[in-house]
Amino acid sequence: GNSVTQMEGPVTLSEEAFLTINCTYTATGYPSLFWYVQYPGEGLQLLLKATKADDKGSNKGFEATYRKETTSFHLEKGSVQVSDSAVYFCALSAFTGGGNKLTFGTGTQLKVEL
Amino acid sequence: DAGVIQSPRHEVTEMGQEVTLRCKPISGHDYLFWYRQTMMRGLELLIYFNNNVPIDDSGMPEDRFSAKMPNASFSTLKIQPSEPRDSAVYFCASSLLGDDGYTFGSGTRLTVV
Repeated sequence: GNSVTQMEGPVTLSEEAFLTINCTYTATGYPSLFWYVQYPGEGLQLLLKATKADDKGSNKGFEATYRKETTSFHLEKGSVQVSDSAVYFCALSAFTGGGNKLTFGTGTQLKVEL
Repeated sequence: DAGVIQSPRHEVTEMGQEVTLRCKPISGHDYLFWYRQTMMRGLELLIYFNNNVPIDDSGMPEDRFSAKMPNASFSTLKIQPSEPRDSAVYFCASSLLGDDGYTFGSGTRLTVV
């Protein structure tokens, strides 16, 4: 079946540090890949996505590249801010017998300190 | 667009009572999803609909849980009777296409005492 594995959190960084959150996936076929962000007390928001191999999704300074050869979609940001503190979810979408639906990872909490 | 609207934002109820959570998806979206989030189990898909028809309810934990989508602009998730282990944040999400990214509501925080 489809699955997503994310690195364990929490990840604690100082402001302006470089961020990487690892994500690998297992899927049949050609899934689309997503990163969602959840701020405290809110629902998940789509951060970025990539729909085919070698595509790079980007938004708000965050980037992730769809790597089919390593089945990975790592999230990166060059310089994090305190306002980036949130939980980040990697997800994939692939057609199943019941239609398309997202499979989420367990989430990685990011804490950014001054 | 106001986004996906869920009500109530918070619900506190006594064990054994019936609880109904409500969701209004984004107009024109043809997929609707119900998720439950807890610290222990993370984000779990309970059920999803396509064009108001339930497609996959394999995540519904027990017969105490039921979901309906009587029309394209409204869905309910009902728990009857509620139990303390049902305490969680319940999210509704909608999508135009199943893999085009979801828009989540702000969630309903349910506490069963």
